[in-house]
Parts: sequence; structure tokens; C-alpha cells
Amino acid sequence: DTAVSQTPKYLVTQMGNDKSIKCEQNLGHDTMYWYKQDSKKFLKIMFSYNNKELIINETVPNRFSPKSPDKAHLNLHINSLELGDSAVYFCASSQQGVGSYEQYFGPGTRLTVT
Amino acid sequence: AQSVAQPEDQVNVAEGNPLTVKCTYSVSGNPYLFWYVQYPNRGLQFLLKYITGDNLVKGSYGFEAEFNKSQTSFHLKKPSALVSDSALYFCAVREWAMGGGSQGNLIFGKGTKLSVKP
Repeated sequence: DTAVSQTPKYLVTQMGNDKSIKCEQNLGHDTMYWYKQDSKKFLKIMFSYNNKELIINETVPNRFSPKSPDKAHLNLHINSLELGDSAVYFCASSQQGVGSYEQYFGPGTRLTVT
Repeated sequence: AQSVAQPEDQVNVAEGNPLTVKCTYSVSGNPYLFWYVQYPNRGLQFLLKYITGDNLVKGSYGFEAEFNKSQTSFHLKKPSALVSDSALYFCAVREWAMGGGSQGNLIFGKGTKLSVKP
């Protein structure tokens, strides 16, 4: 009954490859997010998405693209991976509305690019 | 610019003593504030939030936080620390988009490592 799940938990790949990370939430939330946590544990928003609107952090390279097949899923696709993409990527979800707004996070995917 | 500051990289506390983890914020709209905890190799867990109402907010695991509008602070507190409270704590504020908007990203502080010794 995991609320927000991500797969895979660990991903090791070589530079130049294309990879995807999957995220699913069973909370019925209307908004999903991707965050990047770097080696210094700093968290930064990459994307937020609901069924009407995609907001992209302008600092995110266009090699990164979110794909949402339905309301409960927001996958992250990365093209032409670079060494600097190594980080932990967290998916999150929330319900946008009065009194809520807290986000619930998945367990993270540790991406290592060699 | 909207931001969150956690001035301490690390806080050390003896078990049984009270603890405080500091957070100050800067936001253009109403401050919606959050605390999260991250245990090693785990995701972030929601602890508590302030949206409106009572300035003292109670959350999970005996934690509470006090919202102080004049000092733009939202410090996390616990009366009696446990060794199991040792973790990385993040303060966050909801980002308000220019002109409003329905989506609210969280802007996180850099995190404070809490170490509770027996």
C-alpha cells in the first residue's frame, strides 16, 4: 500500500545512454513533481505537473522530460546522460487545495552515470 | 526571491534534552511552511505544516514548530530528543507563482543534520 513508489531504486548507466525512471502514486492526488537531490543533499524542483499544466524549472536541461500516461503516473525520461546527472531523484505528489499542499515523496532513485 | 534558510548545518543534542532546528523564510505571498525529515537512504517524510491559524503547530513523532511572522521564522522543536530522531531535517516553503497559479512547488532549505547522542 505504498503511497508514492518509484522504480528502479538504483540505476547505474554509462554516459550517452537514455534512461527512464517511473513514478506512481495511489493517493488520488492531482499534482506530481520531480526533484533532484545532489551530493550535498540539496533538493531542487525539476517539474511539477497536473492534468492541465506542466511547469518546468528553467534550469533543467531539455534532455530531461516528464511523461504522464495518466493522473497517477509521472515518469522521468533522460536523454544523453551526463556525469553531472548523477544524483538521487525523488518523485512527489500533492493535492492542490485549501488546507493541504503538503507533498508526499517516493523513496528515491539513485542514478549513477559512469 | 522566495527562499528558505537553515543557518545550522548540524545540531547536536543529548538524548532527553529539548531540541530546536532553525528555519527562516522569505516569500512573496502567504507563507505556507513545512518540515520534512529524511533518514539515511530514504525519501522525505512529512512532519508538519503551517498554513494558517494557531502559530504553534504540532506534528508527527512529538515534533512541533512555531510560526513567527515578525521574525519570518518557523523553528522546529521537540521537548525531549530521542536517538532515533537523528536524521536530516528540511524546512520548506510553498512557492507562489507570479500572478498566482494553481501549482505550488516547494522551495527547500539546505537541510540540518540532527545528531542525538545517548
